[in-house]
Amino acid sequence: QTVVTQEPSFSVSPGGTVTLTCGLSSGSVSISSYPSWYQQTPGQAPRTLIYTTNTRSSGVPDRFSGSILGNKAALTITGAQADDESVYYCVLYVGTGIWVFGGGTKLTVL
Amino acid sequence: EVQLLESGGDLEQPGGSLRLSCAASGFTFSSYAMSWVRQAPGKGLEWVSVIDSGGSSSFYADSVKGRFTISRENSKSTLYLQMNSLRAEDTAVYYCAKAPRVSAAPVDWGQGTLVTVSS
Repeated sequence: QTVVTQEPSFSVSPGGTVTLTCGLSSGSVSISSYPSWYQQTPGQAPRTLIYTTNTRSSGVPDRFSGSILGNKAALTITGAQADDESVYYCVLYVGTGIWVFGGGTKLTVL
Repeated sequence: EVQLLESGGDLEQPGGSLRLSCAASGFTFSSYAMSWVRQAPGKGLEWVSVIDSGGSSSFYADSVKGRFTISRENSKSTLYLQMNSLRAEDTAVYYCAKAPRVSAAPVDWGQGTLVTVSS
């Protein structure tokens, strides 16, 4: 059973920079995992931020960026704003058509 | 503009069946893979299933394998999810989502439809 790991919570000061990570319970995340990132606020559908490691979705500001850091995927938010306060999910491709979401990171901006 | 509109969510008893639909517009439906992702109340996102652009290949999460069937009707730009042998733990908002291919993550999302399984 593949488990995708994310920090349960994180906090950042307004204007600050934060890096959220997405790992695998066994093994390393690579570009072949096609890591993607989503933002979700309560009652809303997910919003795609980053797909295929580092491609920003249409309309997403460039203060959101994706990368591979060591053996994990990473989402970096620079110049955090109050409305970045959301839950962030990553998803990884584990092969043979199967995708697994992480449990989400609740980001607080304060 | 891409639009994905889910329907078919309802209250169903354990052991029952439901069929969800997702009507797509604003893009060439037959050129994209399509997925279902669900979210139980107060919980995180869970990938459920994906089907390739032509409908010939489909894949499922272990939690629904053998009970759910994904299908599509490209002539109608519509995606389906047939849900059988429903369990309480299938209670969730079900989102359909568009992806470039099976091995690419969903990019565009619908607003979701609520399925409640309860006696």
